[in-house]
Amino acid sequence: KNQVEQSPQSLIILEGKNCTLQCNYTVSPFSNLRWYKQDTGRGPVSLTIMTFSENTKSNGRYTATLDADTKQSSLHITASQLSDSASYICVVTSGTYKYIFGTGTRLKVLA
Amino acid sequence: DVKVTQSSRYLVKRTGEKVFLECVQDMDHENMFWYRQDPGLGLRLIYFSYDVKMKEKGDIPEGYSVSREKKERFSLILESASTNQTSMYLCASRTGGYQIGQYFGPGTRLTVT
Repeated sequence: KNQVEQSPQSLIILEGKNCTLQCNYTVSPFSNLRWYKQDTGRGPVSLTIMTFSENTKSNGRYTATLDADTKQSSLHITASQLSDSASYICVVTSGTYKYIFGTGTRLKVLA
Repeated sequence: DVKVTQSSRYLVKRTGEKVFLECVQDMDHENMFWYRQDPGLGLRLIYFSYDVKMKEKGDIPEGYSVSREKKERFSLILESASTNQTSMYLCASRTGGYQIGQYFGPGTRLTVT
């Protein structure tokens, strides 16, 4: 069964600190993996996308990694800001139309 | 910038009512999707459309139907709303190339009482 699991479910950190979110997947066939940021009450917005051959992708303070052998991805946030408070969703694309969504990690950044 | 808009941010309906949720995108995208999002379950695909008048069932189509008469507009219909359809509904669109990824609308929070 295709699955995407994220950990932790929720996380609280102080402003300025770094954090890492995890995503493990069992999806076949694998097309690409994307991280989304979803602010409360809003639709998800794409942060990064990685294909099978890519193992690192950065977008400002966000850096995603992908290990296709172990089927793990991580999203590292550097020097967190209050505006980083959101849910972060890992999504694996399988084939052309199939998107398998993780349940997300809810991040809270405190001043 | 791609813009995906949804007709309502919040909606309250009564059990048994027919409900229409509308989604419009302005980038001439071929593919459009309807999801529902519930706590602890992630996004689940209800229906998608890969072209005008074309539709495919997703993982949870029961109790829903869709309509795509024009390329830019994709409607989700709840024929007879029930309380278990209370949820956040998200519309997404994309070009035919799946590598590009989906663009999401702001969502409609539907409450059925």
